[in-house]
Amino acid sequence: NAGVTQTPKFRVLKTGQSMTLLCAQDMNHEYMYWYRQDPGMGLRLIHYSVGEGTTAKGEVPDGYNVSRLKKQNFLLGLESAAPSQTSVYFCASTRPVPYEQYFGPGTRLTVT
Amino acid sequence: TQLLEQSPQFLSIQEGENLTVYCNSSSVFSSLQWYRQEPGEGPVLLVTVVTGGEVKKLKRLTFQFGDARKDSSLHITAAQPGDTGLYLCAGEGAGSYQLTFGKGTKLSVIP
Repeated sequence: NAGVTQTPKFRVLKTGQSMTLLCAQDMNHEYMYWYRQDPGMGLRLIHYSVGEGTTAKGEVPDGYNVSRLKKQNFLLGLESAAPSQTSVYFCASTRPVPYEQYFGPGTRLTVT
Repeated sequence: TQLLEQSPQFLSIQEGENLTVYCNSSSVFSSLQWYRQEPGEGPVLLVTVVTGGEVKKLKRLTFQFGDARKDSSLHITAAQPGDTGLYLCAGEGAGSYQLTFGKGTKLSVIP
């Protein structure tokens, strides 16, 4: 039982490049989330999904897109990376009520 | 918008000391959770409190949910270096699919 996994663990991008972060969970959870964590800012929600084929915007969605084609996977895309997107990205999943979230180990992204 | 304020932001104490971390809001939450995050890792759930006034204990950690379900506290007795980490509180709003996270309390326990 791997829980929540994220790939890659580290990535360096140049401004304007694109990339996709993959999150996978094996707990059959309905809900999945993407957060970014920056010093002094805490965890901020980017996008989330309450089921296969559905997505919704969180607090800081600009510059990101997501897809949930399969229940166990949640993809986060950066179409044109900017230095402001340098951050640590966490994926989480949960079953509903209460929303006890299980987090992945994170992806450290640097945009130069 | 629901906000959760944690205090203190930073805490450095000697091994064996006691400490309390606070999580406050003007909003009512259906439940409140505490997570601990170690460097380079994702947050890990410690506890969920649901009922106003509820107290839960996890070894040397005691969690309390305020009577009005707007605030919570985490008390650690006889802190150990293994308690070092970032402690995050998170609240579940009624009818929301999301958690509201506090910015965290960074705890360092010095041997």
